[in-house]
Amino acid sequence: SAVISQKPSRDICQRGTSLTIQCQVDSQVTMMFWYRQQPGQSLTLIATANQGSEATYESGFVIDKFPISRPNLTFSTLTVSNMSPEDSSIYLCSVERDRPGELFFGEGSRLTVL
Amino acid sequence: KQEVTQIPAALSVPEGENLVLNCSFTDSAIYNLQWFRQDPGKGLTSLLLIQSSQREQTSGRLNASLDKSSGRSTLYIAASQPGDSATYLCAVRSTTDSWGKLQFGAGTQVVVTP
Repeated sequence: SAVISQKPSRDICQRGTSLTIQCQVDSQVTMMFWYRQQPGQSLTLIATANQGSEATYESGFVIDKFPISRPNLTFSTLTVSNMSPEDSSIYLCSVERDRPGELFFGEGSRLTVL
Repeated sequence: KQEVTQIPAALSVPEGENLVLNCSFTDSAIYNLQWFRQDPGKGLTSLLLIQSSQREQTSGRLNASLDKSSGRSTLYIAASQPGDSATYLCAVRSTTDSWGKLQFGAGTQVVVTP
């Protein structure tokens, strides 16, 4: 398994502001993944973060709204920009470890936008 | 496009009964299938990973089967305990999807009563 730490664990934000979520992994990984879980919904992949290159975004997600940094092989950040109530979700960081294709997730960051 | 369905959406059983959770997917071209557990407001805990070439995986009281040709997986939890109360998610990685992209079902919410 993998130890994945996320900060903050939860936050309440005002409309129009931005928040950066941090993800720290206990060992080096090539790719890190950011997922979103909207209330009552299942998880959706936002983007894949590779060290040394721009993140790859899934359909429906754009860099201006969800800028991602990946400064090294154990750390990544996801920023949720210009937040609206529709951005209220749990944001989860994920990595692939041990066996090919097996994903492990952090505890998530629960954002509430008022 | 891969679609993942989990039935039932919710399940309540008395302690000691066996749990049977179902997952179906529309496209049999999968790389693997993974079962997760999610506690309220928390991240995901990986339970079992089944590669496309495998028919089942076991871990303790948990057993998951995979019938790729019919697009089905079943998670069995033997002798349920109140601590098994959680939402169980299945997720598939299709061979046509990018690395790290899982398609999740909506989950089965399980309550085990003492």
